[in-house]
Amino acid sequence: LAKTTQPISMDSYEGQEVNITCSHNNIATNDYITWYQQFPSQGPRFIIQGYKTKVTNEVASLFIPADRKSSTLSLPRVSLSDTAVYYCLVGDGRGSTLGRLYFGRGTQLTVWP
Amino acid sequence: GAGVSQSPSNKVTEKGKDVELRCDPISGHTALYWYRQRLGQGLEFLIYFQGNSAPDKSGLPSDRFSAERTGESVSTLTIQRTQQEDSAVYLCASSLTPTDNSPLHFGNGTRLTVT
Repeated sequence: LAKTTQPISMDSYEGQEVNITCSHNNIATNDYITWYQQFPSQGPRFIIQGYKTKVTNEVASLFIPADRKSSTLSLPRVSLSDTAVYYCLVGDGRGSTLGRLYFGRGTQLTVWP
Repeated sequence: GAGVSQSPSNKVTEKGKDVELRCDPISGHTALYWYRQRLGQGLEFLIYFQGNSAPDKSGLPSDRFSAERTGESVSTLTIQRTQQEDSAVYLCASSLTPTDNSPLHFGNGTRLTVT
């Protein structure tokens, strides 16, 4: 299983862009990279998923370099409500072990006014 | 539409008692997962169902833990003879298919406290 490394915590101010980088040196050819967001007392919520280059949705952008050994979640113009834990996950490429994805401790993002 | 529903939301039990935690996945989702999250920690995989079968039980921490799924729908996680170290939030998730590019949809969990 490809494990991930991400900062334990980050701080930002409202209106700023936040970039959270995740390292996954052992990523396999077929693995997807997925990011989840978790608020206190709630289950994680899917944010974005990508395989290579750049993916953008209404919430965030995901940048993946050519070697795919890292990825960066970009949150534009954060607000106080973006304060949460962000998890980076990498699939093991076999297509049937999504449940065994390694969540780790994630990155606690705190947005200040 | 309705999301993943878990019940109860909170459960306090005495050490040594058995508990049952219930998960109602999103209708039509073939895959169902149970995770455990201790305070301040990441999610720990417990078990995964494809339909009513559990091809991967590797995450169950001991033989006191068991789970079943019926009708390719509701799942129950049972913990027998609870111990204090079982105290945690138990999260259930479902996905349309058990593949990497099928995102997990989580419920809000059951907070279990063993006294």
